[in-house]
Amino acid sequence: QVQLVESGGGVVQPGRSLRLSCAASGFTFSSYTLHWVRQAPGQGLEWVAAISYDGSNKYYADSVKGRFTISRDNSKNTLYLQMNSLRAEDTAMYYCARDQDSYDSSGYYSNWGQGTLATVSS
Amino acid sequence: EIVLTQSPATLSLSPGERATLSCRASQSLSSYLAWYQQKPGQAPRLLIYDASNRATGIPARFSGSGSGTDFTLTISSLEPEDSAVYYCQQRYNWPPAPMYTFGQGTKLEIK
Repeated sequence: QVQLVESGGGVVQPGRSLRLSCAASGFTFSSYTLHWVRQAPGQGLEWVAAISYDGSNKYYADSVKGRFTISRDNSKNTLYLQMNSLRAEDTAMYYCARDQDSYDSSGYYSNWGQGTLATVSS
Repeated sequence: EIVLTQSPATLSLSPGERATLSCRASQSLSSYLAWYQQKPGQAPRLLIYDASNRATGIPARFSGSGSGTDFTLTISSLEPEDSAVYYCQQRYNWPPAPMYTFGQGTKLEIK
């Protein structure tokens, strides 16, 4: 079955960096668009970034554009999120999510990991 | 940016009752809307996509309707395990890039 396992979260000071990873299994990783979605403590969901199946197209929410970079390694079935210049408002559970459709993105998230918590605090 | 407004914020109903959750968009989405269920401590789960299509494995008591700016998630006969927060999400592709947004959520409590 589809499995997504995030890692890399932790406590970091404002202005520093963090790199999240998402290891995938149970499906053809290189065929799907992947997304990062975050949720601040006690708050709703916010889409963060997406990357096409082959890595050629990347999209970001305005709130993270220029600070975060999404990438993937299809040989390792792993998705990444490099987070730089972190702010207190970036504190959240970060989920990786697989798009519902292969190749052409549907924009819907059919499978989710359990999340990794990133806390930005001095 | 497209804003999604969900109502009510909280809904408290008894098992067997019918739940109706609303999601209103600030501009037309055609049918590009999904619904997710999130239970405490868990990741969200896709329930409905393209406004009215049930995702794989979702019970028939969950149904979605609507188009344009007004959408509804209906749970026909509530079960205790339906207690959760429900989010709507739009996937309208803005040029030059997609921008996906969620509603603020409706918390459904089962008495």
